[in-house]
Amino acid sequence: AQTVTQSQPEMSVQEAETVTLSCTYDTSESDYYLFWYKQPPSRQMILVIRQEAYKQQNATENRFSVNFQKAAKSFSLKISDSQLGDAAMYFCAYLAPGTYKYIFGTGTRLKVLA
Amino acid sequence: SQTIHQWPATLVQPVGSPLSLECTVEGTSNPNLYWYRQAAGRGLQLLFYSVGIGQISSEVPQNLSASRPQDRQFILSSKKLLLSDSGFYLCAQGQGYEQYFGPGTRLTVT
Repeated sequence: AQTVTQSQPEMSVQEAETVTLSCTYDTSESDYYLFWYKQPPSRQMILVIRQEAYKQQNATENRFSVNFQKAAKSFSLKISDSQLGDAAMYFCAYLAPGTYKYIFGTGTRLKVLA
Repeated sequence: SQTIHQWPATLVQPVGSPLSLECTVEGTSNPNLYWYRQAAGRGLQLLFYSVGIGQISSEVPQNLSASRPQDRQFILSSKKLLLSDSGFYLCAQGQGYEQYFGPGTRLTVT
């Protein structure tokens, strides 16, 4: 069965600095999708970035980028120029194509220090 | 663009009482719909998903049930709530491979 592991329950970063959140997953599939979601204090889940496994190029969305290492089954999120509004829970998620079941990690709480 | 509504936003119910949480979606048709529960400090647990009217798949056997009476309406119910049902309930809709979430309902069972 597929699993998603976020080994960092909590991380802190100084405002304007860069932070990397880790995510590893386990699957026997060769094609799948990976996502990072942000959950701010309002509890609304917001899609931050997605990565298709068949694409070798790492996805980037403004200050957010991923380091996708398919062989290592690693999918980390890098936040550059951290802002106070980045403070939130971040969840990594996996989806196998042709299925409807997203598998979420347990989350990493990111604190941004002024 | 899609909009997902959930109500109520917060709910406090005694143990043994019934439950009905509603989720409606605007701006899309025939979406896949999902109910998740998030316990305090935990990740998301998929409870139910639906690929069409009247089609419900259950992921976790428990005292909750789900129904989809209309294309863009998804309801989570219980006949008798347990203390362990407390949590934050999120409805999500997906088309293709992306999921979008509603604002959630915070349920406290006392």
